[in-house]
Amino acid sequence: AQSVTQLDSQVPVFEEAPVELRCNYSSSVSVYLFWYVQYPNQGLQLLLKYLSGSTLVKGINGFEAEFNKSQTSFHLRKPSVHISDTAEYFCAVTGHSKQGAQKLVFGQGTRLTINP
Amino acid sequence: EAGVAQSPRYKIIEKRQSVAFWCNPISGHATLYWYQQILGQGPKLLIQFQNNGVVDDSQLPKDRFSAERLKGVDSTLKIQPAKLEDSAVYLCASSPRRQAASADTQYFGPGTRLTVL
Repeated sequence: AQSVTQLDSQVPVFEEAPVELRCNYSSSVSVYLFWYVQYPNQGLQLLLKYLSGSTLVKGINGFEAEFNKSQTSFHLRKPSVHISDTAEYFCAVTGHSKQGAQKLVFGQGTRLTINP
Repeated sequence: EAGVAQSPRYKIIEKRQSVAFWCNPISGHATLYWYQQILGQGPKLLIQFQNNGVVDDSQLPKDRFSAERLKGVDSTLKIQPAKLEDSAVYLCASSPRRQAASADTQYFGPGTRLTVL
């Protein structure tokens, strides 16, 4: 079974500052890793995902994440945030499966608040 | 392309009442998921359908929750009877069926916020 820990429940930063949202996972098998964003009163939207290959993954809205297998981490970064990045961010993991099941396990979320 | 549609957006009921939520996935998406998101937590998978068959319902409280996906398109999730701890946002998601299904992107609807009094 997989599990995800998001180390910060809330992260306040100033506009145009860099930000890092931390995510650690636990799994006994190879995994796929995802970051989803949830804006107020909306569903979740995929930011980026790591499947294989380069450990640095680039996503939408200027976000990127780095897969570190030895540290079992998948931290999300953005070099300069905007007010519009204010949202809840969820890290998620699933084990590899060739069958029809994708059982995503989500972390508890990190609320990113951008202050002017 | 239209997104995942859900209704109603909000529902308030009293405990022991029943409630139903509806979801219409993105056209052509074979896989449909229902999640429960309790305030302050990440979504938790309740049930997953592949076309109109259940793939995983291991975390569905089957004594009170039921779900169906007739004709492999839209789906209904029902709670009967509701308890206070069922207060949450119920999210529906869909994904296209690809060979490596576990790598799929899920597309989420806006959710239904349920309050049980």
